[in-house]
Amino acid sequence: DVKVTQSSRYLVKRTGEKVFLECVQDMDHENMFWYRQDPGLGLRLIYFSYDVKMKEKGDIPEGYSVSREKKERFSLILESTSTNQTSMYLCASSSGSGNSPLHFGNGTRLTVT
Amino acid sequence: GNSVTQMEGPVTLSEEAFLTINCTYTATGYPSLFWYVQYPGEGLQLLLKATKADDKGSNKGFEATYRKETTSFHLEKGSVQVSDSAVYFCALGLRANDYKLSFGAGTTVTVRA
Repeated sequence: DVKVTQSSRYLVKRTGEKVFLECVQDMDHENMFWYRQDPGLGLRLIYFSYDVKMKEKGDIPEGYSVSREKKERFSLILESTSTNQTSMYLCASSSGSGNSPLHFGNGTRLTVT
Repeated sequence: GNSVTQMEGPVTLSEEAFLTINCTYTATGYPSLFWYVQYPGEGLQLLLKATKADDKGSNKGFEATYRKETTSFHLEKGSVQVSDSAVYFCALGLRANDYKLSFGAGTTVTVRA
């Protein structure tokens, strides 16, 4: 079974702090994604990566950046958190072939106070 | 643009009841369609998918048929169990968009014993 592991389950940060959300997958998947999940809005794509050191903006990249130095690891960076970034963050991975399913981590619930 | 609209919840049912969750889509081109499920405290996992018109996806007693004429992919289950309590997400992916998924807002289903 594919395993996607997110480093933290719950995080509480103060406004203006820097946050790193780490995600590791163990199936040698080419593609990795960061989504945020908010009630009534579903999942919205923040950033994705199709290869090491490659990144592309999703639908809501403002206020976020990412890093992919190794194939198995994809990090989401919030340089200076704000209260509107309070959300559930989900990492996902998939193989390179089109239409392959996404495999999700269990999510990180970030609260910014 | 590409989008997915699914029926609003929450939906509360009794065990052994029939479940339908409506999903309609708007897409340029011919999307692949997916249903993902999120059980409490977990990430999303693929429930079923269909890649072309008239395809039927099925898994765990759930079914959905890709209806091009009505641009719909409604999810159904004939007899739900308490263990089906979850959030269900409809999603679409397009080859032209590298199959990055667009998700609906999610429908929360609670099944009571």
